[in-house]
Amino acid sequence: DTGVSQDPRHKITKRGQNVTFRCDPISEHNRLYWYRQTLGQGPEFLTYFQNEAQLEKSRLLSDRFSAERPKGSFSTLEIQRTEQGDSAMYLCASSATSGSLNEQFFGPGTRLTVL
Amino acid sequence: DQQVKQNSPSLSVQEGRISILNCDYTNSMFDYFLWYKKYPAEGPTFLISISSIKDKNEDGRFTVFLNKSAKHLSLHIVPSQPGDSAVYFCAARIGAMRFGAGTRLTVKP
Repeated sequence: DTGVSQDPRHKITKRGQNVTFRCDPISEHNRLYWYRQTLGQGPEFLTYFQNEAQLEKSRLLSDRFSAERPKGSFSTLEIQRTEQGDSAMYLCASSATSGSLNEQFFGPGTRLTVL
Repeated sequence: DQQVKQNSPSLSVQEGRISILNCDYTNSMFDYFLWYKKYPAEGPTFLISISSIKDKNEDGRFTVFLNKSAKHLSLHIVPSQPGDSAVYFCAARIGAMRFGAGTRLTVKP
């Protein structure tokens, strides 16, 4: 399977705990995106990387959230001191910069539940 | 601020008929518009796109129409099939993509 993979698929945590999610993009893609999706809404952009550089961050990305892509391949998204409002599906997507479309391919997501 | 809006949360059509999903946007700087389809427990999958310099793009049963003056785009599926039943997201790109809230399409046999 050469698609975008995310780990874990589900995470249940208690309020105040830290969580970390991993995303492995399609290998030849140099752009990687993180989105958050809540029930009844479309994906909301959080941040994206081109190679290892973080190029854009949404206002949604509070200082409790940090994302890294240290070697320009996989990426991690960490949420510190989780709150119940952080419960959502966290989606990762990747794309190539070649061509004009930059179509994004999504992973299956990590569903976070904060109790 | 919601720059991309899908005002119909659901749509039900009969198999073989046309499905029309609508999307409105507010930012005239968007350069690409895309439609994604999402099945339960899966991430969205790309369906079809259109550049802001075009007004129509067709791919098999799927056609996307863009009306820039009205800041409106639509996805036509003809003929609709039961396997098309899914949530459809409209997205618009300026740097990062902005998504609508989605429309759940149900195609009845």
